[in-house]
Amino acid sequence: QSALTQPPSASGSPGQSVTISCTGTSSDVGGYNYVSWYQHHPGKAPKLIIYEVTKRPSGVPDRFSGSKSGNTASLTVSGLQAEDEADYYCNSYAGSNNFGVFGGGTKLTVL
Amino acid sequence: EVQLVESGGGLVQPGGSLRLSCAASGFPFSVYSMNWVRQAPGKGLEWVSYIDRRGGNIYYSDSVKGRFTISRDNAKNSLFLQMNNLRVDDTAVYYCAREDWGSYSPWGQGTMVTVSS
Repeated sequence: QSALTQPPSASGSPGQSVTISCTGTSSDVGGYNYVSWYQHHPGKAPKLIIYEVTKRPSGVPDRFSGSKSGNTASLTVSGLQAEDEADYYCNSYAGSNNFGVFGGGTKLTVL
Repeated sequence: EVQLVESGGGLVQPGGSLRLSCAASGFPFSVYSMNWVRQAPGKGLEWVSYIDRRGGNIYYSDSVKGRFTISRDNAKNSLFLQMNNLRVDDTAVYYCAREDWGSYSPWGQGTMVTVSS
């Protein structure tokens, strides 16, 4: 069960946009439209911000958007705000024998 | 309010056992599949186990297969994780999370499990 590949860090200034990638294989990211993204502030519960590749749960600002091309999914945060500084994790369904594989996480810093 | 509250964590010696619980409220627990996810200190999130709404389909990560057992009591709106033969690398915060079409939401606040001699 190999983790999905994310860059360990990303950064941007307030108001800028940043994109975080999540690379898997045809057995996970590329094979299913069940990619989700989570925002995690240390010490708090992780929060779902994108599901089924592009969908936003109620209450999540439209500054957060998701996409996928082949085996790589991406999370874009537009109009960066200080409160966006957190760890971000992608996740993909990977079949019944390898159920839910996470990426290694990306620490987003707002400069 | 939809809420998940984990309990049962603590300090245990290698080879020991612990049973984690997750109390659900604010939603029809029996309708949803559930998961356990953990985060070791300084590490990322790791999916641990899944159970469908009736307990008929259960999956585990390779790292815990044969040592951990997931179960649920729909009458008591509760999810459990029985952890046996614990190892030092099982040290982590353990979260329960509701499954909704391949995504996890919400999550509990987590319970810390420390395996050390």
